[in-house]
Formats: sequence, C-alpha cells, structure tokens
Amino acid sequence: QTVVTQEPSFSVSPGGTVTVTCGLDSGSVSTTYYPSWYQQTPGQAPRTLIYNTDTRSSGVPDRFSGSILGNKAALTITGAQAHDESDYYCVLYMGSGIWVFGGGTRLAVL
Amino acid sequence: QLQLQESGPGLVKPSETLSLTCSVSGDSINSDYYYWGWIRQSPGKGLEWIGSIHYNGRSYYNPSLKSRVTMSVDTSKNKFSLKLTSVTAADTAVYYCARLPFRGYCSSTSCHFDFWGQGTLVTVSS
Repeated sequence: QTVVTQEPSFSVSPGGTVTVTCGLDSGSVSTTYYPSWYQQTPGQAPRTLIYNTDTRSSGVPDRFSGSILGNKAALTITGAQAHDESDYYCVLYMGSGIWVFGGGTRLAVL
Repeated sequence: QLQLQESGPGLVKPSETLSLTCSVSGDSINSDYYYWGWIRQSPGKGLEWIGSIHYNGRSYYNPSLKSRVTMSVDTSKNKFSLKLTSVTAADTAVYYCARLPFRGYCSSTSCHFDFWGQGTLVTVSS
C-alpha cells in the first residue's frame, strides 16, 4: 500500500514560520491528490485546516496556508503561536474512493 | 450546526466483532453530495482511514482492512455504522466518524473530511 510521508516532528520559535510537507514513498504529490490538512491537539478530534491543496476551511486564520512545493504538498504556518503546538496530518486521495493519511507531524512552538 | 456522535461498546473481546454507530444531527444523511466515513487512531499513533459509505450503500474500504470491515447506513434514523470482525489488540483505537464531501470524484470543494465526531475509544481485551 502507498505510504504518505511527513516529518515526524518539527519545532518553530514563536512568531516564526514553519513548513510541514506531505510526500509519497513513490512518486510526486500534485493537486490531483487533493491534499488536505488537519490539526489535532491531545484528546481532541482533528480539525480541518486546508483542503483542495490550498483552500482554508471556514474560520481558519490566514496564518495557515497550503501549497505544492516541489514534489510534495506543504502546510505553512506563519507567525507561529503557542496554541499552534499540535499534531498535523495530511491526507491524500489515491483515486478509486481510497484515502491515505500521512503519519503526522508533531509541531513544538518553543 | 452539523454534529456527529459515535456510540458503541468501549470494550470488545479478541476475535469478536466491533460495532459502532455514528448518529448525524443538523443535516440529513440522505445527500447525494456526501459520503460518511470512519477513521481510527491507535494510542499514540496516527490517523487511519477505515472506509466511507454513501446513503445509497455505495462504499469504499481501506484495502488493508477490507476483509474485516462492513459499513451500513440507516436513513430512517439518520445514522451509519461500522462493523469490524475478528478484532485483535491492534484494533484498539479511538474511532472517529466524519463527513466527506464526495460524489465519486473530486472537485475544488470536495474530497476532504469536513466535520468530525468527538471520537470513541474502543479497547480490545479479554
């Protein structure tokens, strides 16, 4: 089965910018995978941040943005805040009604 | 406001069948525009898509779980369900239900899980 890759962890300073990526063990991620991004804090359900590569979900601040960078999908957080400290997951649509989540990236703001 | 609520036994014995229900309120499950999905998260691990189902019964399952998964929809009660057979300790997880805008193909406004339930922990243990 296809493996979707993410950095296991990242750290960013308050006010800084960080980019988390979402790749494939074989091949390149493009917009045709309709990448979406989710934020999850401990004990909570995931919250939808970005869908269709770069569309922010309702209520998501514009500090969060999505894109394709090279051969990966990317989530960029600018002006990081303490409460952005969370796990971030991408999910890709593989076609034929199949979705695959990445392993998640734990972001520390310190 | 759309709400999804998972329910079911919190403890299941090994080799038995896990059964969960997701009750939908604030919207009708009878929509051509949406599928309804199950996602799980093992303790300390990442998210795993289990499967998705349309109100007309069309379903898609994770290939790695397909042989053990059955999903169904009860339109009269506005809910959908998950059954996972022959469970082992590896199936211990928080199970989430979610709404998935999807019409069998993706578009600029679909193909993402837009609303989630709060999740329910299912432990597999004797």
